[in-house]
Amino acid sequence: EAQVTQNPRYLITVTGKKLTVTCSQNMNHEYMSWYRQDPGLGLRQIYYSMNVEVTDKGDVPEGYKVSRKEKRNFPLILESPSPNQTSLYFCASSLARNQETQYFGPGTRLLVL
Amino acid sequence: AQTVTQSQPEMSVQEAETVTLSCTYDTSESDYYLFWYKQPPSRQMILVIRQEAYKQQNATENRFSVNFQKAAKSFSLKISDSQLGDAAMYFCAYRRFNAGKSTFGDGTTLTVKP
Repeated sequence: EAQVTQNPRYLITVTGKKLTVTCSQNMNHEYMSWYRQDPGLGLRQIYYSMNVEVTDKGDVPEGYKVSRKEKRNFPLILESPSPNQTSLYFCASSLARNQETQYFGPGTRLLVL
Repeated sequence: AQTVTQSQPEMSVQEAETVTLSCTYDTSESDYYLFWYKQPPSRQMILVIRQEAYKQQNATENRFSVNFQKAAKSFSLKISDSQLGDAAMYFCAYRRFNAGKSTFGDGTTLTVKP
C-alpha cells in the first residue's frame, strides 16, 4: 500500500531533550516536506526537500533540523525542544516538484513540557 | 510572499444542500497550483480537488467543484448535495509551479446539519 508513515504518532517530552520524528514514504517520491499545524493557524511549512541531499527552509524553520540522506526518509529533528514547539506535525511527499499533489502522513502530536 | 486567506472560520449547511467555501490568495506568479484539502476529526489530510492556474476550465470531482477566478485571485469550493461525512476542516492551499514552498490558509470548519 502506497503511504507516508510517521513515528511516533504521539510524543510527550520535556524542554531541551533532543528528539527525532521519522517520516518515510514507499512511493519513490522525490519531494518531501514537513508542516506544523496549530489551532487557528492552518498548516505552516517547516522544511522541504526537492531530492536527496537537497533541503530548504519553509516559513517556520527556527528550532528544527532535517536531513535527506535517502530518498524514502526525511526525519525532523528538534535539537532542544521548547513548549512553543508543541504542535501537530505532518510529513508529506509528492512524486516530483511538478507533480504537485502532496500525500500526507497521519500526523505526529507533540507535547513539550 | 504568497498568502492564502480563508475568510470564513466556520460554515454550516443542511444535509443535501449546497455550500460554498471562499479562498483568496495573493501572488505575483502566473504558473501555480491551488488545492482544497479536507481534514476530518481523524486529522488525516485528504486532497479534495486541485486546479492548475493555466487551465481556464474549473476542476470538478463528483460533488465538489471550484470557481477559479485567476484575475480576482479567488478559488472557492462548492460542495453539492452535502453529506454528513463532509463535515470537516477545509484548507485552501497554494503552490508555485516548479517550487517547493506551499502556503495554506487558516481553514474553514464545515458543519453539516441532518
